[in-house]
Amino acid sequence: DTEVTQTPKHLVMGMTNKKSLKCEQHMGHRAMYWYKQKAKKPPELMFVYSYEKLSINESVPSRFSPECPNSSLLNLHLHALQPEDSALYLCASSQVLRGNGGYTFGSGTRLTVV
Amino acid sequence: KQEVTQIPAALSVPEGENLVLNCSFTDSAIYNLQWFRQDPGKGLTSLLLIQSSQREQTSGRLNASLDKSSGRSTLYIAASQPGDSATYLCGNYGQNFVFGPGTRLSVLP
Repeated sequence: DTEVTQTPKHLVMGMTNKKSLKCEQHMGHRAMYWYKQKAKKPPELMFVYSYEKLSINESVPSRFSPECPNSSLLNLHLHALQPEDSALYLCASSQVLRGNGGYTFGSGTRLTVV
Repeated sequence: KQEVTQIPAALSVPEGENLVLNCSFTDSAIYNLQWFRQDPGKGLTSLLLIQSSQREQTSGRLNASLDKSSGRSTLYIAASQPGDSATYLCGNYGQNFVFGPGTRLSVLP
């Protein structure tokens, strides 16, 4: 298995809703990442987990809450989002943080906040 | 904080042309350099990875080179096809993984 799987592919949520994005990989990678991408912009790093521990938080608002239950799974919990949070959310993994291997990205979750 | 630039920002060429996409970094501390392609609304597909000890990689019609001393990488696409139309992003590990803004490529039949 050489893929990163993200679910759901599309999500529409209201500003008072609570939802979660899920990311899964079975490549034995020990670093996992969340990125946010707005239209026609490059992905921006949000969070990095290394060996299931939060390694980097790029000053992301607390309405985004990451969770890494095990080495294969990464969640992003969403609560009280704003319309400007609408974007493509990408998950990625790598063998280790800053290792010699490359990144593998999932196909993303298209989030719309109404 | 490292910055990454990509030139050109957009490119439109007729089918069959050879083309070059450029990527530059402000910080020459390059760990690994990876080129991706992204189709509209989709995730990133890895094209080529140049590890820190390497200078170039090739895959089919694609060739990527890395000059760490100047902080530049080049992606060469030979005999372009309409299916190559996409946005091409370069990324550098460095301190953190940083992406360039991308080159939007359109190959016309």
